[in-house]
Amino acid sequence: AQKITQTQPGMFVQEKEAVTLDCTYDTSDQSYGLFWYKQPSSGEMIFLIYQGSYDEQNATEGRYSLNFQKARKSANLVISASQLGDSAMYFCAMREEETSGSRLTFGEGTQLTVNP
Amino acid sequence: DTAVSQTPKYLVTQMGNDKSIKCEQNLGHDTMYWYKQDSKKFLKIMFSYNNKELIINETVPNRFSPKSPDKAHLNLHINSLELGDSAVYFCASSRSGGRSSGANVLTFGAGSRLTVL
Repeated sequence: AQKITQTQPGMFVQEKEAVTLDCTYDTSDQSYGLFWYKQPSSGEMIFLIYQGSYDEQNATEGRYSLNFQKARKSANLVISASQLGDSAMYFCAMREEETSGSRLTFGEGTQLTVNP
Repeated sequence: DTAVSQTPKYLVTQMGNDKSIKCEQNLGHDTMYWYKQDSKKFLKIMFSYNNKELIINETVPNRFSPKSPDKAHLNLHINSLELGDSAVYFCASSRSGGRSSGANVLTFGAGSRLTVL
């Protein structure tokens, strides 16, 4: 069964607007972590933001925020004030502490294009 | 200073050859990983080592053999290369344990693009 689902293969947004990238996950663990990574066309994997399953507040890092809805098992990434440099592939990932050791399991990614 | 460095960045070789990719991290992390990213950009874990001990070994053909001489290095050797091995291979590292071990972020290398002809 797919543990991380990103239902948007591609998304488009106008420069300076906000965009939400969807991520849902499946786990029976009580303790887990959710991550978002960015992969620009140059290929490197850049860590953006982390949310722990016990964190009560939604994580924020600059223009990135994570809309964490535990009951719905969703961890959407919100990028505010999009910039041209935000055009990239975005991956949602999960670490389950109890069952999967230290691995991160990734979703299939969403290709974001920011239009001028 | 590059935190996680992989060499080579590009590798083009013939089917049947044997090749290696090297990885080194200078972050003081004790866990290292190999991930494979296929042509559809899907990232899948292959191996993980913690303090030189193999802790994750996914369903990977035994033509792939990781080696960790110390906790700062994790190399990947591939025997008898096949067309389907063409992919980008990422090395990564992280801390393990700690009070909030789930938060330990993976730091990735720049990737090694392997093309098998």
